Amino acid sequence: DIQMTQSPSTLSASVGDRVTITCRASQSISRWLAWYQQKPGKAPELLIYKASSLESGVPSRFSGSGSGTEFTLTISSLQPDDFATYYCQHYNSYPLTFGGGTKVEIK
Amino acid sequence: EVQLLESGGGLVQPGGSLRLSCAASGFTFSSYAMSWVRQSLGKGLEWVSAISDSDDNTYYADSVKGRFTISRDNSKTTLYLQMNSLRAEDTAVYYCAKGRGDYQVDAFDIWGQGTMVAVSS
Repeated sequence: DIQMTQSPSTLSASVGDRVTITCRASQSISRWLAWYQQKPGKAPELLIYKASSLESGVPSRFSGSGSGTEFTLTISSLQPDDFATYYCQHYNSYPLTFGGGTKVEIK
Repeated sequence: EVQLLESGGGLVQPGGSLRLSCAASGFTFSSYAMSWVRQSLGKGLEWVSAISDSDDNTYYADSVKGRFTISRDNSKTTLYLQMNSLRAEDTAVYYCAKGRGDYQVDAFDIWGQGTMVAVSS
């Protein structure tokens, strides 16, 4: 099974900061990677698919990059609505796996 | 409006059974693979099971293989998860999720609101 490792697990940042979250796969997944945002008590929401494609309706301050085993999610200018937990997920093959999550907190 | 609505969660004793349902609306249900994903309280996301659009293929996480069965009724636009031999570690919020495109393995663009399953004596 493919393991997904996210870092950091927690990130403290201020409004306006540039934020980068990293996700590493235990083997190559090409570009079959998605990023989700989850707020407390809510279902996850898709932000990025195929490593760098922005889901419809998602603000352009979110961007994704990478291929193979190394991926990043970048928020160019953190907004108050962005304080949440972010998960990466591979969909190269079954079984699907998620990263452990990165909680973005207010500094 | 594209929507997924789960039901069937509740409190069950260890070793018991439960059947979750996920009613889909607002999209052509029969054209998309579907999955169940769970989340224990305060923990991360765990993919549980998936089913292809035409019900030909099913997939399971090792943690539930042999105990859970995923199925779908395209005529009723409903996804199911039959959960048997439940354990305390199956306690979680269970989400149904829609595959984004027409691939059989895909990112999830639509999620339900979740249904809580608690396994306890």
